[in-house]
Amino acid sequence: DTAVSQTPKYLVTQMGNDKSIKCEQNLGHDTMYWYKQDSKKFLKIMFSYNNKELIINETVPNRFSPKSPDKAHLNLHINSLELGDSAVYFCASSQYETGGNTIYFGEGSWLTVV
Amino acid sequence: QKEVEQDPGPLSVPEGAIVSLNCTYSNSAFQYFMWYRQYSRKGPELLMYTYSSGNKEDGRFTAQVDKSSKYISLFIRDSQPSDSATYLCAMRTSGGSYIPTFGRGTSLIVHP
Repeated sequence: DTAVSQTPKYLVTQMGNDKSIKCEQNLGHDTMYWYKQDSKKFLKIMFSYNNKELIINETVPNRFSPKSPDKAHLNLHINSLELGDSAVYFCASSQYETGGNTIYFGEGSWLTVV
Repeated sequence: QKEVEQDPGPLSVPEGAIVSLNCTYSNSAFQYFMWYRQYSRKGPELLMYTYSSGNKEDGRFTAQVDKSSKYISLFIRDSQPSDSATYLCAMRTSGGSYIPTFGRGTSLIVHP
């Protein structure tokens, strides 16, 4: 069973489009994240949710909007896509008590904006 | 200067070699130190984490933290081609935001 699953894995879209990436975790964790990994491999936190509540919102354009319908799901919607949004987006989860020590990542969603 | 510095490599070694992967950092408040392994086209997976200074061993992997030098290391003994991956260090403080800061990763290639 996949612990953290995200779809789609690959996404090619045109500038200006709106797209969503879905994420689900079956680990029973109460905290979920979205990370962005750029072409130089830097992994940057975008958002963190704890029990469906937004707790971390790094400096991310308003075009990015996360939504957590329940503790097991955290989706990412991106409006008006730009070339610079091309990156790999990782969903992740952890249990709050362990802090950020044990984070489980999904396999990533490769977004290419053309 | 970035908070966490990590040489991107690639580091190429023959099978069976002892590998040393390193990170330096600038924030003396970091208390928890993690190592993740990321295979190509996959997400990072946690290898191990340590608290404060000292060593921690798990099979062929040993993590070492030297807080006085702000330097952490991951040693891999008897390296295998299957160890070929990118290794990311991560670290965080004990209070405030528990979100770790990641290094950019070192690409390791173990050739048969």
